Amino acid sequence: GENVEQHPSTLSVQEGDSAVIKCTYSDSASNYFPWYKQELGKRPQLIIDIRSNVGEKKDQRIAVTLNKTAKHFSLHITETQPEDSAVYFCAAYNFGNEKLTFGTGTRLTIIP
Amino acid sequence: DTAVSQTPKYLVTQMGNDKSIKCEQNLGHDTMYWYKQDSKKFLKIMFSYNNKELIINETVPNRFSPKSPDKAHLNLHINSLELGDSAVYFCASSRRFRDSGNTIYFGEGSWLTVV
Repeated sequence: GENVEQHPSTLSVQEGDSAVIKCTYSDSASNYFPWYKQELGKRPQLIIDIRSNVGEKKDQRIAVTLNKTAKHFSLHITETQPEDSAVYFCAAYNFGNEKLTFGTGTRLTIIP
Repeated sequence: DTAVSQTPKYLVTQMGNDKSIKCEQNLGHDTMYWYKQDSKKFLKIMFSYNNKELIINETVPNRFSPKSPDKAHLNLHINSLELGDSAVYFCASSRRFRDSGNTIYFGEGSWLTVV
């Protein structure tokens, strides 16, 4: 089955700096990669996603890159703000077995 | 206008009891899920239903039994609760991924504590 590894598990960044979270996946059949943000005590919510036919996608301060050959994808947050503090999850979806597998999460803390 | 709602939000119960968590979505989605989030924040799929049909059943003890009376509801029944069942259980829904790779919408979570 699919295995998604996520690094780092914790990340502290000075406000205004950039944050990068990296994920690797094992199943080359995975073809959809969403990122979820979970604030303390809240539900996970989608912030950005990318499909396997695209190498990069950007939405304001967040961007995601995908390297299918290497089977890794990354989340980039620029100009970080205190409200970016949360746990971030990457995930990989396999259309064949219809399974979305989550990474282990990264706790991002923005230091004012 | 809650999209995915689950009840109860908090549940404290004794070992050995049987409990249920209910979930309803008003998004018109065909697919519903149950995820378990443990104390380390790992999110793991437990079950997935599409149009009341079970399509994913991970290695979950058979004390856990999902029930989908219709495509808008997916309830989770847990028998003989154990300490290790303490976790946050998230219900979620989406259009069927096979069709278009869609966003999964999560409920607010049900915090289960077994004492």
